[in-house]
Amino acid sequence: GAGVSQSPSNKVTEKGKDVELRCDPISGHTALYWYRQRLGQGLEFLIYFQGNSAPDKSGLPSDRFSAERTGESVSTLTIQRTQQEDSAVYLCASSYQLAGGDTQYFGPGTRLTVL
Amino acid sequence: GDSVTQMEGPVTLSEEAFLTINCTYTATGYPSLFWYVQYPGEGLQLLLKATKADDKGSNKGFEATYRKETTSFHLEKGSVQVSDSAVYFCALKSSGDKLTFGTGTRLAVRP
Repeated sequence: GAGVSQSPSNKVTEKGKDVELRCDPISGHTALYWYRQRLGQGLEFLIYFQGNSAPDKSGLPSDRFSAERTGESVSTLTIQRTQQEDSAVYLCASSYQLAGGDTQYFGPGTRLTVL
Repeated sequence: GDSVTQMEGPVTLSEEAFLTINCTYTATGYPSLFWYVQYPGEGLQLLLKATKADDKGSNKGFEATYRKETTSFHLEKGSVQVSDSAVYFCALKSSGDKLTFGTGTRLAVRP
């Protein structure tokens, strides 16, 4: 079946603008995660959604970052007033937590460049 | 907090050479351990995993054994191929559901 999809694949924006990144998880997956990968670094956890529970926002780096998820479907990560240090690849992953599965399936990522 | 340390790359090998990529971790409790791989131009994908001490994960000729006594999960392959050229990430999941990743190791295999 279809994997995790993300859009856009690339986004170039000017410092100070707002951006929205979209993630479509695998159908039926209850858990959704956002990570950030800066150049030459590992992935950093940003936020996690599980069903109707309150999201785990512990990884969000500042209040300029927010994310929403409607039910068990699409999620949007919003970065307000972008800064150059926000430049990174933003990765979304989903998993079927109710089965006790550990495996997270990743999308191809959105490469964000802030000029 | 949780952390993962893996050997820095890039690692360059000739085809059919033996591969080891070291990974050690710090975590509370009993984490699950993972190796993810990112092939050029592709997304991150799970390579193998182990969920308890002494478990061995294996896939595509790669293996890694969960060593609790040394807090390690080293990735090995007996004979690498050019098609194994990629970036390899070690990761763990302990309390909560987020993954904690290492910085990645780039592997280049020469024909």
